Amino acid sequence: QKEVEQDPGPLSVPEGAIVSLNCTYSNSAFQYFMWYRQYSRKGPELLMYTYSSGNKEDGRFTAQVDKSSKYISLFIRDSQPSDSATYLCAMTGSSYKLIFGSGTRLLVRP
Amino acid sequence: GAVVSQHPSWVICKSGTSVKIECRSLDFQATTMFWYRQFPKQSLMLMATSNEGSKATYEQGVEKDKFLINHASLTLSTLTVTSAHPEDSSFYICSGAAGGDGYTFGSGTRLTVV
Repeated sequence: QKEVEQDPGPLSVPEGAIVSLNCTYSNSAFQYFMWYRQYSRKGPELLMYTYSSGNKEDGRFTAQVDKSSKYISLFIRDSQPSDSATYLCAMTGSSYKLIFGSGTRLLVRP
Repeated sequence: GAVVSQHPSWVICKSGTSVKIECRSLDFQATTMFWYRQFPKQSLMLMATSNEGSKATYEQGVEKDKFLINHASLTLSTLTVTSAHPEDSSFYICSGAAGGDGYTFGSGTRLTVV
């Protein structure tokens, strides 16, 4: 079993839809949780960074962490074609070594 | 926000030659840099962790003599792929820890060995 599980997709939604992306994990020591967006042939871009459980909102993006369920989510409101990319969840504990999910490919149709 | 500048963005080299990839943290001091490689449609695979002024720590299965990492200053880390072969062709990405801003990634280097 992988430490971090993420549905690879692809996930196809119409423009304006609310997108929900999720990851589950098995290591209860993870404390820092991140979501990255990666366009083809580019480095990952940090979208959200959260510590421990709770919600964090930044513009159209909301990150949720539920440590009791070992489950994290990223919501994208009013999705745009420019949001089409691969979304990677990542997390770490005291080792500071990031563990990545496999990434979810998102396609937002105009 | 924190920026990591990675160069070159792409490189083509002949089999048997060496290639150096540089990563610079532009507006923060990266005590630790991480080096990843990524195959098409796959996630990032951590290759090694480098700390300024000390030897890099390599992940299991990564040849330290083939992938030389140098982290001579708080703002510069380099990865040299020695005696490159076609199977080393991949997308290489560096990342620096930017304190409370999480981990910032470079833009990546696409290496093609012919």
